[in-house]
Amino acid sequence: QSVLTQPPSVSGAPGQRVTLSCAGSSSNFGAGYDVHWYQQVPGTAPKLLIYGNTNRPSGVPDRFSGSKSGTSASLAITGLQAEDEADYYCQSYDSSLSGCVFGGGTKLTVL
Amino acid sequence: QVQLVQSGAEVEKPGASVKVSCKASGYTFTNYAIHWVRQAPGQGLEWVGWINTGTGERKYSQKFQGRVTITRDTSATTAYMELSSLGSEDTAVYYCARGEGYPWNFDYWGQGTLVTVSS
Repeated sequence: QSVLTQPPSVSGAPGQRVTLSCAGSSSNFGAGYDVHWYQQVPGTAPKLLIYGNTNRPSGVPDRFSGSKSGTSASLAITGLQAEDEADYYCQSYDSSLSGCVFGGGTKLTVL
Repeated sequence: QVQLVQSGAEVEKPGASVKVSCKASGYTFTNYAIHWVRQAPGQGLEWVGWINTGTGERKYSQKFQGRVTITRDTSATTAYMELSSLGSEDTAVYYCARGEGYPWNFDYWGQGTLVTVSS
């Protein structure tokens, strides 16, 4: 059971917009800690996609955007492309655990 | 360019220990934390712990407390993770990652090291 809760799977057709959710609690998001998002293609290391709730590292397309409100966060992907098919993880810090925490991951399928 | 290069795959017997290394280059090693994250086959990411590469301060996930030791060698710009009393549930890919900001995001990752625990 992950501290951050993500839906196991999401799908969308090429060109569509999809939103991936990440639910936290008062000891992580609700305590003001940021959410970060990672993309992982199976068999490879995760890649930082969004940091500090809304910021994209250099090289990440602006089709990816993040937001956080209260105890929940979301990642939006617009203009879905076949190459976006991957696993996506949210991550934050939890004050009750005094450590970093991940969501269980969402598998994005591009139909 | 920033690189984290990990040691190769390991096969260990139950009850044994394993030590994985993570060689950093392309930045000032002591300016960033190193974290360890593992991923069991078909499962999600799990945070193991971190080390302040400047001071040597470290903290571990409660789940691994007492079984994991993270160290670093600043002259070699290398961090290490040792896990003891291995069980089959420890079979996983272990990643090192650079911690940016505080609390951290993980902006660069090693390629991963597969640790297989099997009798």
